Amino acid sequence: AQTVTQSQPEMSVQEAETVTLSCTYDTSESDYYLFWYKQPPSRQMILVIRQEAYKQQNATENRFSVNFQKAAKSFSLKISDSQLGDAAMYFCAYRINTGNQFYFGTGTSLTVIP
Amino acid sequence: ETGVTQSPTHLIKTRGQQVTLRCSSQSGHNTVSWYQQALGQGPQFIFQYYREEENGRGNFPPRFSGLQFPNYSSELNVNALELDDSALYLCASSPIAGGLVDTQYFGPGTRLTVL
Repeated sequence: AQTVTQSQPEMSVQEAETVTLSCTYDTSESDYYLFWYKQPPSRQMILVIRQEAYKQQNATENRFSVNFQKAAKSFSLKISDSQLGDAAMYFCAYRINTGNQFYFGTGTSLTVIP
Repeated sequence: ETGVTQSPTHLIKTRGQQVTLRCSSQSGHNTVSWYQQALGQGPQFIFQYYREEENGRGNFPPRFSGLQFPNYSSELNVNALELDDSALYLCASSPIAGGLVDTQYFGPGTRLTVL
């Protein structure tokens, strides 16, 4: 079964601080892609960062970085220098390389405190 | 570059009715996927269309059907609506890379309420 678990339904962070959102997944495949998407109250899902499973180097996009631990099937998102605009629901997702379906977690609601 | 658009924004239907939701893919994208997102949940894959044919389907009954048109836009049709069909329906488009779907780009969604 392909599953994604986000164990933190809600998180909060002070503005300018750093926060880490957790994600674990379960797959028997060895080749896949991992994603973090952000869904603000406006509803539109926005890609934050992606990681190819065959790459050992962790992906980074400006203030966003991931800690990808393939053996542990863990894919956490670190947001540095948090901003008010980072407040949103964050979804972890993955796609196996031989399939077209994306599997999503249940999301983590991030609040940024001024 | 035009992003993914969806219409309508909101829709209210009654149980047993039929509904059609529409999606225009992002410019240069030829694959469209549809997702159902229930309140407080992550998106669940309904199906995907590529070259006007269904190219993968999730665990949804046949009353969920779709179309893709030559311009890559797409429709999601749901027949015999049930109360549990109330959800946000998301459309996502993506380019084809080596025959597989790469990253997906989402539209703003259609909020369907079934009474």
